[in-house]
Amino acid sequence: DTGVSQNPRHKITKRGQNVTFRCDPISEHNRLYWYRQTLGQGPEFLTYFQNEAQLEKSRLLSDRFSAERPKGSFSTLEIQRTEQGDSAMYLCASSIGFGTTEAFFGQGTRLTVV
Amino acid sequence: GENVEQHPSTLSVQEGDSAVIKCTYSDSASNYFPWYKQELGKRPQLIIDIRSNVGEKKDQRIAVTLNKTAKHFSLHITETQPEDSAVYFCAASSGNTPLVFGKGTRLSVIA
Repeated sequence: DTGVSQNPRHKITKRGQNVTFRCDPISEHNRLYWYRQTLGQGPEFLTYFQNEAQLEKSRLLSDRFSAERPKGSFSTLEIQRTEQGDSAMYLCASSIGFGTTEAFFGQGTRLTVV
Repeated sequence: GENVEQHPSTLSVQEGDSAVIKCTYSDSASNYFPWYKQELGKRPQLIIDIRSNVGEKKDQRIAVTLNKTAKHFSLHITETQPEDSAVYFCAASSGNTPLVFGKGTRLSVIA
């Protein structure tokens, strides 16, 4: 499968624990996005990268969230001191070039905080 | 920043009828408007998109129209089939900003 790959697919964690998710974009894509989706809602933007540079971060994003994209390849999203409200589907997407191009989504990581 | 409103939130149609989903956006700089389909438990997938230099685009049973003056765009599905049942999301972007999504429309096609 040469699409966007996310791991793990599911994660159950206890409140207060740290979790890290990984996203491998389509290889030639220079833009990588993280979104969060809760039941019955559309994807909500969290942050995005152009190559290794993090260009924008949502104002809604708590300081407990951090993302990296070393060397402009895969990306990780870490949530520290998880809370029950963090339970959601975390989607990664990637696109190529500048301007108006299709964003391809991964299957997502479903996080459940108990 | 951009704000995208989508309606209706749910839509039921008889198989063979047409379905229309409407979205409005707030940022006049937005120039890219994709529509994504998300089936239960699956990733969102692009079904059609339109850029601001055109007013309408069609792909078989699916069409999208854009009214830049009114800042709204619509998805039209004709001759609906049960496999069209899914959640549909509209989105908007200015190209150098991330996609901002609507809240989705759950379409049910009744056989």
